[in-house]
Amino acid sequence: QKEVEQDPGPLSVPEGAIVSLNCTYSNSAFQYFMWYRQYSRKGPELLMYTYSSGNKEDGRFTAQVDKSSKYISLFIRDSQPSDSATYLCAMSPILTGGGNKLTFGTGTQLKVEL
Amino acid sequence: GAVVSQHPSRVICKSGTSVKIECRSLDFQATTMFWYRQFPKQSLMLMATSNEGSKATYEQGVEKDKFLINHASLTLSTLTVTSAHPEDSSFYICSAKRVWDREHEQYFGPGTRLTVT
Repeated sequence: QKEVEQDPGPLSVPEGAIVSLNCTYSNSAFQYFMWYRQYSRKGPELLMYTYSSGNKEDGRFTAQVDKSSKYISLFIRDSQPSDSATYLCAMSPILTGGGNKLTFGTGTQLKVEL
Repeated sequence: GAVVSQHPSRVICKSGTSVKIECRSLDFQATTMFWYRQFPKQSLMLMATSNEGSKATYEQGVEKDKFLINHASLTLSTLTVTSAHPEDSSFYICSAKRVWDREHEQYFGPGTRLTVT
């Protein structure tokens, strides 16, 4: 069983739709949760990170963490064609000054169509 | 700020040859750099962590004699794939962090696509 599971998609939605991207994990040591966006043939860029359970909002993006269910989500409101990319979730245990690595999901490919 | 570049962006080499990939932090000093490999439709897999001036720490299953990492300065790390084989064909991505950045605050390069023929 993979430590982090993520539906690879592809997910196709119309412009303006609300998008829900999800990851589940098995390692209860994970405490930091990140979402990255990766455009084709480019490196990932950090969108959001959260530490505790609950919601965190940044513009059109909302990250949600449910540690009891080991489930995290990224919601994108009013999706735009420019949001078309692969979205990677990543996780890390408590950071102790280096040596803790990020564990990534496989990424969900999103396409927002006009 | 916090821009990371990689060179080359893509490279094709023949089986048995070696290829070097450079990772540079353009506007900050990177005390730690990470090297990842990403196969199609698979997640980023950490290969090794390098700290400036010291030997790299390799993840389990990554051959250190095959993937040579040198982090000679605070702005440059190199990954050399020695005696490359077709199965080494992949997308190699580096990331970098400053001494005060936490693990999630890694700045990723644009990646290098390696094709071994």
